[in-house]
Amino acid sequence: DGGITQSPKYLFRKEGQNVTLSCEQNLNHDAMYWYRQDPGQGLRLIYYSQIVNDFQKGDIAEGYSVSREKKESFPLTVTSAQKNPTAFYLCASSKGGASDEQFFGPGTRLTVL
Amino acid sequence: GQNIDQPTEMTATEGAIVQINCTYQTSGFNGLFWYQQHAGEAPTFLSYNVLDGLEEKGRFSSFLSRSKGYSYLLLKELQMKDSASYLCAVVDSNYQLIWGAGTKLIIKP
Repeated sequence: DGGITQSPKYLFRKEGQNVTLSCEQNLNHDAMYWYRQDPGQGLRLIYYSQIVNDFQKGDIAEGYSVSREKKESFPLTVTSAQKNPTAFYLCASSKGGASDEQFFGPGTRLTVL
Repeated sequence: GQNIDQPTEMTATEGAIVQINCTYQTSGFNGLFWYQQHAGEAPTFLSYNVLDGLEEKGRFSSFLSRSKGYSYLLLKELQMKDSASYLCAVVDSNYQLIWGAGTKLIIKP
């Protein structure tokens, strides 16, 4: 079964700690994305990657970092510099660029205490 | 700036028809997506329009007018499982995807 996975579903961390959210896809997609969603709001792009070993900042990259060492994997680190990290984080992938359908993982709900 | 407007919330009755509108002001246009998102879950793809007109897919149809910067999603024969948020997203001239805030659709029996 092809798809995109994120783990864990729920994550709790203490303020000041870095945390890494995983995202893996076996769809052979070139592009991968990280979004943040807050209650009652749309998706906001954090980072995206069109190809291995390359990634670009989205609209709200401050306080986040990513890597793309493998085509299948695009982990997101939420650093202590992110002022308000509690949110629902969604990872997505697409075959090519923005005009291609995006497939989303189930999301990780991060709560910073 | 770039802007996508959708109603925040709509209510409809099971078995009825509902139209969810989306208007956009973006730097260029290279397509418009509609996604469905159930509460606490991931968005799933519904439709993609790049040319003017109506695209029908089962109970769901999506319409686009590029000259008016306008799209709508039409849902027929509403079912309780259609209760969800519906997200409109536009691909701009730089091939960046701009997301609307979504419309929460509540279906009543």
